Amino acid sequence: GENVEQHPSTLSVQEGDSAVIKCTYSDSASNYFPWYKQELGKGPQLIIDIRSNVGEKKDQRIAVTLNKTAKHFSLHITETQPEDSAVYFCAARLAWGGSEKLVFGKGTKLTVNP
Amino acid sequence: DAGITQSPRYKITETGRQVTLMCHQTWSHSYMFWYRQDLGHGLRLIYYSAAADITDKGEVPDGYVVSRSKTENFPLTLESATRSQTSVYFCASRRGTSGAKTYEQYFGPGTRLTVT
Repeated sequence: GENVEQHPSTLSVQEGDSAVIKCTYSDSASNYFPWYKQELGKGPQLIIDIRSNVGEKKDQRIAVTLNKTAKHFSLHITETQPEDSAVYFCAARLAWGGSEKLVFGKGTKLTVNP
Repeated sequence: DAGITQSPRYKITETGRQVTLMCHQTWSHSYMFWYRQDLGHGLRLIYYSAAADITDKGEVPDGYVVSRSKTENFPLTLESATRSQTSVYFCASRRGTSGAKTYEQYFGPGTRLTVT
């Protein structure tokens, strides 16, 4: 089955610096890769996603890149702010014969120090 | 627009009791999902439903039962709760398979369940 590895598990940066979180997936049939932000006590919130036919997508300070050949994708946050502090999860969607699932990485706790 | 809600938000129960966690969405999304979140495991899919009366197992279905008689509701039942089911449970939903943004899943606020 699909396996998603996420690194690093914790990341601490200074306000204004960039942060990069990387994920690798195992199943080449995966076709959709979302990133979620989870604040303490809340549900995961989708912040950006990318489909397998696109190499890069950007939305203001966040961007996601996908390398299908290497089976890895990354989240880039520029000009980080204290409110970016949260746990970030990557995921890969796998679909087969009418079934589907999102497999999540184990998360990265990002701390942005003022 | 209420979106997706879960109830209760917190629940403490004893081993062996039956517990039902509720999930309700107001978007008329076709798909609904149940995940559990545990330290060191991230989010794992328990069950999902593609439409009313259609359900399928996820990664960790043992000990759980789901039903979906109405599109907007997707209850999760622990038939005989065990300590290993202590977790935070999240419900999610997404649209059907046509149109833009069809793969986006939207999560509820979660239910923290403790089994003593």
